[in-house]
Amino acid sequence: EAQVTQNPRYLITVTGKKLTVTCSQNMNHEYMSWYRQDPGLGLRQIYYSMNVEVTDKGDVPEGYKVSRKEKRNFPLILESPSPNQTSLYFCASSFRTPVLYEQYFGPGTRLTVT
Amino acid sequence: SQKIEQNSEALNIQEGKTATLTCNYTNYSPAYLQWYRQDPGRGPVFLLLIRENEKEKRKERLKVTFDTTLKQSLFHITASQPADSATYLCALEKDTDKLIFGTGTRLQVFP
Repeated sequence: EAQVTQNPRYLITVTGKKLTVTCSQNMNHEYMSWYRQDPGLGLRQIYYSMNVEVTDKGDVPEGYKVSRKEKRNFPLILESPSPNQTSLYFCASSFRTPVLYEQYFGPGTRLTVT
Repeated sequence: SQKIEQNSEALNIQEGKTATLTCNYTNYSPAYLQWYRQDPGRGPVFLLLIRENEKEKRKERLKVTFDTTLKQSLFHITASQPADSATYLCALEKDTDKLIFGTGTRLQVFP
């Protein structure tokens, strides 16, 4: 089954404690992306990757890091989480640019930073 | 700045009627527009992509229009069913490799 998986699904942490949210896709997609979704603000892109070892900033990259060492994985790293990073996070992938190709979203990770 | 507007108020309609959702945008001219469905607590699911030269696209009970003069897309669900209840997001080409999403409109279909 074609899918994007994320772990963990729910996470409560404290300010400053480094965390990683994993994302994996099994469709051999080149493009992967992280979004955050907040009430009234919609989905906003954090980082994206066009292919292995190629990453770029989205609209709200501050406080986040990513890496793309393998085609299937695209982890999101919060080096020092802060309460304003409390949000619902989605990983997504598409064959190539999401402008032209269907984007598949993961189930989401609900992060709370206290 | 680039802006997408979707009606933040929920749309409530009766089963069997046609639901029409609106997506308006300002300050740019995308060549591609998409619609997604999102159920509570789940990731968005892609529905349709329309190009600027297509004007209208259909998929089963769904129809999307794209009016580049009005800077507007309309999303129609005909013969709506309670199972169509969800939030619908429009997304537009922001640049070559990025989409910008609207905040979505929640549709509630009552039996």
